[in-house]
Amino acid sequence: DADVTQTPRNRITKTGKRIMLECSQTKGHDRMYWYRQDPGLGLRLIYYSFDVKDINKGEISDGYSVSRQAQAKFSLSLESAIPNQTALYFCATSDPGLVEQFFGPGTRLTVL
Amino acid sequence: DQQVKQNSPSLSVQEGRISILNCDYTNSMFDYFLWYKKYPAEGPTFLISISSIKDKNEDGRFTVFLNKSAKHLSLHIVPSQPGDSAVYFCAASGNTPLVFGKGTRLSVIA
Repeated sequence: DADVTQTPRNRITKTGKRIMLECSQTKGHDRMYWYRQDPGLGLRLIYYSFDVKDINKGEISDGYSVSRQAQAKFSLSLESAIPNQTALYFCATSDPGLVEQFFGPGTRLTVL
Repeated sequence: DQQVKQNSPSLSVQEGRISILNCDYTNSMFDYFLWYKKYPAEGPTFLISISSIKDKNEDGRFTVFLNKSAKHLSLHIVPSQPGDSAVYFCAASGNTPLVFGKGTRLSVIA
């Protein structure tokens, strides 16, 4: 079983719709992250959370919000999707004692 | 301003030869560096790392070299294999979340 799971794996939606991407982990890590990947731009940090009561903005948080429902769950919302939010979205986790992050399989989001 | 730079978007190498992927950084507070490998339709997976107190770390066919004075690190893969074909991301940390480069697509030709 995968340690970090993301749902859905693929989603096509229309401009203006609200979208939620979900991430769950069984690694027992306190820290969770959301990244987006665009061609030629690498991985950019959207939001991160070091524990259930902690939420921090990353490099590109505008247009996104997050919710840390439990240690194992971290969801990303697009309140009103726009086409330039079309991208691959990755969730990641880490342990406070380690720098290494563990990534989920990704969600491919297309906004028409 | 990009703090972690991978200036080569792509690299092609023949099977059996050495692959060298380069990464430069600008933030002198970075003290830990990692390389991730990413196949299509999968998330990035951790490959190898190095602390700023070292200048080399080796794991099988993979070796990472760090030159702190030049703010440069490189990943050497030898011998390269077709299964190494993937996108490689350099990442850095300085008591902050990881900062990633844009990636280099490695193609190993049989």
